[in-house]
Amino acid sequence: AAGVIQSPRHLIKEKRETATLKCYPIPRHDTVYWYQQGPGQDPQFLISFYEKMQSDKGSIPDRFSAQQFSDYHSELNMSSLELGDSALYFCASSFGGRSTDTQYFGPGTRLTVL
Amino acid sequence: EDQVTQSPEALRLQEGESSSLNCSYTVSGLRGLFWYRQDPGKGPEFLFTLYSAGEEKEKERLKATLTKKESFLHITAPKPEDSATYLCAVQAFGGGYNKLIFGAGTRLAVHP
Repeated sequence: AAGVIQSPRHLIKEKRETATLKCYPIPRHDTVYWYQQGPGQDPQFLISFYEKMQSDKGSIPDRFSAQQFSDYHSELNMSSLELGDSALYFCASSFGGRSTDTQYFGPGTRLTVL
Repeated sequence: EDQVTQSPEALRLQEGESSSLNCSYTVSGLRGLFWYRQDPGKGPEFLFTLYSAGEEKEKERLKATLTKKESFLHITAPKPEDSATYLCAVQAFGGGYNKLIFGAGTRLAVHP
């Protein structure tokens, strides 16, 4: 079965640079979620989109922005990168936009900021 | 504040030695409780969703149960391939209903 696709899988950036992470949800899924997982920590919710509209917002820094496109893929844009942004970034997708729809996670993008 | 606490933090079992992982939660209202398995450097893999107290779900050697205050993940006769971090997460009523609130996880190691 098709799963959530994330690209790139690994990304190395310098401080103050920008990064763009991409997420392609499971076919027919219309809702995407972004999570950040620091080393040894649990995933922290950043932001979600349903039918191309922002549906929920968590602890996402103002330096980050995201959007969902007409084909339902999503991009997380990160600017003025800091050392503390180094983490695994997961995208998850679900169908229907209801709060109890199961979220299926992608393999993640490992971002390293030097 | 909505909160999820998992115990123990780490668990070492011998192959075939059954045990249970605990997830206690404090939420304004529970929409759903989710169990995921996560291998190092990989994304969480969905296991179960539980919605109401008394509900139980089973899959192979795993069985999840739910009460009004906590959930248990029972592992029967585990094998080394069951070694992973098991994450519990909740969705709560109120603001931010979409997001999953995760616990810190239980790192399970099953030795032959």
